[in-house]
Amino acid sequence: KAGVTQTPRYLIKTRGQQVTLSCSPISGHRSVSWYQQTPGQGLQFLFEYFSETQRNKGNFPGRFSGRQFSNSRSEMNVSTLELGDSALYLCASSFRGQGVVDTIYFGEGSWLTVV
Amino acid sequence: AQKVTQAQTEISVVEKEDVTLDCVYETRDTTYYLFWYKQPPSGELVFLIRRNSFDEQNEISGRYSWNFQKSTSSFNFTITASQVVDSAVYFCALSDRANQAGTALIFGKGTTLSVSS
Repeated sequence: KAGVTQTPRYLIKTRGQQVTLSCSPISGHRSVSWYQQTPGQGLQFLFEYFSETQRNKGNFPGRFSGRQFSNSRSEMNVSTLELGDSALYLCASSFRGQGVVDTIYFGEGSWLTVV
Repeated sequence: AQKVTQAQTEISVVEKEDVTLDCVYETRDTTYYLFWYKQPPSGELVFLIRRNSFDEQNEISGRYSWNFQKSTSSFNFTITASQVVDSAVYFCALSDRANQAGTALIFGKGTTLSVSS
């Protein structure tokens, strides 16, 4: 079956702009998480959505937001971009069973460069 | 606080050598999950293994094997007879169960493995 799909794969934005990244989870998966990867900070958790509700949030400013649609697809938005937002943004999906941490699968990521 | 430490930043080996990637974790939870991922230059994190805290059996999958020891809070990964295609960054991760409503992975800094022919 198809894996986690992220679009766009590469993008360049200017400081102060905003950006929206999209993620389609594996079919049947209802949990979608987002991570930021930078050389300095490594991989950091942004937020998780399940059934269109944000269930968990990492330590990022309010400029980072997301949402999930009824078909489990998710988008994340970064407003007022800063140079430090340049990173690989990874989306992950899992089935999310009851009381179990299921296998978490990642997409190829969206490479964001802020100039 | 939960933490994952991968002390080896970079490892270089020659093909057919065995190599072990170390992972040490810290958590106060009694129930937790550990993961290993491989990240090639393309960026995608490729899932390798998931292990829960109640299953201490070692696992072998082809040339890959994992040694889980709760007594030392370690979950080490060994590649036997390494190949050039194994060159990548490998991440160890711990599930964050502090928030029961959600699941967040805490990653180590990663180990870059370079296998030369």
